[in-house]
Amino acid sequence: EVQLVESGGGLVKPGGSLRLSCVASEFTFSDYGMHWVRQAPGKGLEWVSSISSISSRIYYADAVKGRFTISRDNAKNSLFLQMNSLRVEDTAVYYCARVLGGGHGYWGQGTLVTVSS
Amino acid sequence: SYVLTQPPSVSVAPGQTASLSCGGNNIADKSVHWYQQKPGQAPVMVVYDDSDRPSGIPERFSGSNSGNTATLTISRVEAGDEADYYCQVWDSTTDHYVFGAGTKVTVL
Repeated sequence: EVQLVESGGGLVKPGGSLRLSCVASEFTFSDYGMHWVRQAPGKGLEWVSSISSISSRIYYADAVKGRFTISRDNAKNSLFLQMNSLRVEDTAVYYCARVLGGGHGYWGQGTLVTVSS
Repeated sequence: SYVLTQPPSVSVAPGQTASLSCGGNNIADKSVHWYQQKPGQAPVMVVYDDSDRPSGIPERFSGSNSGNTATLTISRVEAGDEADYYCQVWDSTTDHYVFGAGTKVTVL
């Protein structure tokens, strides 16, 4: 069974940085594109960023472009999201997800990021 | 940017059929994915690429896509189907994924 476990969330002040990690298991990580999706408290789902299997294609939502960086280490079955210049509106649960077809077929349980002074 | 429109809520009696719409300009030209999210839980994909079901998803969940509307149909609705449902597409014009705002399904 595909497993995705996120970590790295926490409380950070506006303007600060955090690095999220997602460790994958029970599938060949290097074969699949991966995504980050977030959900602000009481709100809907918002796509954040995507990376192809060999990091040749990377995409960002307009809201995070220039502040967030997605990356992966296929040797360590790990996906990352470096978040800089954090804003209050970045407060959300951040999920990593694996491709299935054209969508996000498998999701982790999420990690909470709170940006507050 | 591409916009997906979903009704905020749908109510359905147990055993009946729920039809959830997802509207978008020429959405039939795109592949639509659907997710179910129960309170406090991560989303679960229930339909991908318009009408395919991931492993483990009951046949009661089906999808279609035509013209300007994609539809998720839940047949023989059960109490456990009560959740928020989101549609999603890839917008190749902007290279962005887009989610609809979600539909809350209430089982009466």
